[in-house]
Amino acid sequence: EVQLAESGGGSVQPGRSLRLSCAASGFAFDDYAMHWVRQSPGKGLEWVAGISWNSVKIVYADSVKGRFTISRDNAKNSLYMEMTSLRPEDTALYYCTKDNIAVPGTGTWFDWGQGTLVTVSS
Amino acid sequence: FMLTQPLSVSESPGKTVIISCAGGGGNLATTFVHWYRQRPGRAPTAVIFDYNRRPSGVPDRFSGSIDSSSNSASLTIFGLKTEDEADYFCQSYDSVKHHWVFGGGTRLTVL
Repeated sequence: EVQLAESGGGSVQPGRSLRLSCAASGFAFDDYAMHWVRQSPGKGLEWVAGISWNSVKIVYADSVKGRFTISRDNAKNSLYMEMTSLRPEDTALYYCTKDNIAVPGTGTWFDWGQGTLVTVSS
Repeated sequence: FMLTQPLSVSESPGKTVIISCAGGGGNLATTFVHWYRQRPGRAPTAVIFDYNRRPSGVPDRFSGSIDSSSNSASLTIFGLKTEDEADYFCQSYDSVKHHWVFGGGTRLTVL
């Protein structure tokens, strides 16, 4: 059974940084691409960033490009996201998601963790 | 590239409901459509992938389809149960920007 456990969320002031982590288990982590998807309170889903199994292909949503960095450590079965220059509009529940293919593309669909909440407010 | 869903639908237990997902600015026939259910306070889970395939454990009451002529996809739920009450999201791929896109979500009420 796929298990994804996010951590690292919290409350921060605008302009500060935060690092999210995701511990994966129940599947061969290094066989699959991984992503972060967020959901603002009471709102819909927004894809944020994705990374291929070998970290060669990395893509970001325009809303976070240049501020967020996705990475993975296959030896530790872990996914990360470094978030800098945080804005109030980044406030959301951040989900770690497992892709169903090795390189993100047309066939990408997601298995989801439970999420970690990030609140950006002064 | 946008995916447009109705805000809400409602139907009675035992009936059938169809939730639509219209693709604007992209060709859904080439980018796959997937569907997720999100119960209140819970993470989304996939109910349909690759237009019409069901993940393990999803009952065959759930069915997906695509209409290339209208560039839209649909999720059909047969024999509605109260436990089907949830938000449903469609998802596809923007092949120009290499991004993944979700519809705004449809709240299903079973009453």
